[in-house]
Amino acid sequence: GAGVSQSPSNKVTEKGKDVELRCDPISGHTALYWYRQSLGQGLEFLIYFQGNSAPDKSGLPSDRFSAERTGGSVSTLTIQRTQQEDSAVYLCASSPGEVNQPQHFGDGTRLSIL
Amino acid sequence: QQPVQSPQAVILREGEDAVINCSSSKALYSVHWYRQKHGEAPVFLMILLKGGEQMRHEKISASFNEKKQQSSLYLTASQLSYSGTYFCGTERGSDYKLSFGAGTTVTVRA
Repeated sequence: GAGVSQSPSNKVTEKGKDVELRCDPISGHTALYWYRQSLGQGLEFLIYFQGNSAPDKSGLPSDRFSAERTGGSVSTLTIQRTQQEDSAVYLCASSPGEVNQPQHFGDGTRLSIL
Repeated sequence: QQPVQSPQAVILREGEDAVINCSSSKALYSVHWYRQKHGEAPVFLMILLKGGEQMRHEKISASFNEKKQQSSLYLTASQLSYSGTYFCGTERGSDYKLSFGAGTTVTVRA
């Protein structure tokens, strides 16, 4: 079956521009997660959606970052007024939304801010 | 809340063994292990449950010591394909979020 799909796979943009990153989770998965991975670093939690509940935004680094999930499926992570420190790989994962279930990761979007 | 992994990196020859540790200061419900190869997405290996048994993925096994809030990943008779960065993710049971460690980079050489 189809896995987690992310687009674009690569994005290069100028400092100050806004960017939108898309994640299409595995069908039927109610939980969706966004992580940021800087070069050679670990997985930094950004935001978590579970069903119709209010998202857990506790990991968003600043108010320039926002995310939404429409219809309980596709999610978009938006970064406004990008800065060079935003350069990283942004990973999306989904899971069935139950305890003890693995997260399935997409291939990520590599974001480069010039 | 982020678990602490050790060591940060390990270099092995094919056939050698290694242990990666993951420790948390908080009570844990489960521990997940993932492996990420360079330029690829993290891939799920196994979940260790509170009160559960030791788990195994090929020749990689793991244990969970609830009292110490620590999980250990055992790479036995390592193969070249084991190279990558191993992450532990800890789950507290109150939600479905994972807190990931900084990762342990494993390099297996012929």
